[in-house]
Amino acid sequence: TQLLEQSPQFLSIQEGENLTVYCNSSSVFSSLQWYRQEPGEGPVLLVTVVTGGEVKKLKRLTFQFGDARKDSSLHITAAQTGDTGLYLCAGVNRDDKIIFGKGTRLHILP
Amino acid sequence: DSGVTQTPKHLITATGQRVTLRCSPRSGDLSVYWYQQSLDQGLQFLIQYYNGEERAKGNILERFSAQQFPDLHSELNLSSLELGDSALYFCASSSRGGRFETQYFGPGTRLLVL
Repeated sequence: TQLLEQSPQFLSIQEGENLTVYCNSSSVFSSLQWYRQEPGEGPVLLVTVVTGGEVKKLKRLTFQFGDARKDSSLHITAAQTGDTGLYLCAGVNRDDKIIFGKGTRLHILP
Repeated sequence: DSGVTQTPKHLITATGQRVTLRCSPRSGDLSVYWYQQSLDQGLQFLIQYYNGEERAKGNILERFSAQQFPDLHSELNLSSLELGDSALYFCASSSRGGRFETQYFGPGTRLLVL
């Protein structure tokens, strides 16, 4: 069974600080996605990375796909209270099935 | 607002019962996905339909079934409900169901089995 492990499970930091969350697997994925989910809503796609070593930036968020396409990281610079939410990574395997991690619950304190 | 609608928003029922969850995809999207989200298991892919046909199957129990109708809306049927089926059920849609396409999630149906 392919698994995506996300760490940390919970993270609470002050506004203005930087943070990195991780998504790791022993399996190779053809692509990897990051979503943010807010309470009472469905996940919203932030980014899709496809190529090993790929780095994508979305304002203060930087996403990196590992060279071997087994892991990914999300770095947030100068966190804001609006960044609070559940961050999910999801990998698409060779069978085109999507597998989600359990998420990192991020809380940015004002 | 993603453009995907789900009804009902909340559902409370008893063990052994059967329920139907409904999803309308975004206008123009042909593919619909169903997911279950629970605290211990996280978000689990259940099943995908494309233009009325089943395209991919995930961790869907035999007690669960789904279909996509000619008007492209989809229903997820959950039967012989157990306490452990209590979860958030999400529907998502995408244009053609390709692996790199963006999936747009609905707001979910919160199911509580008592």
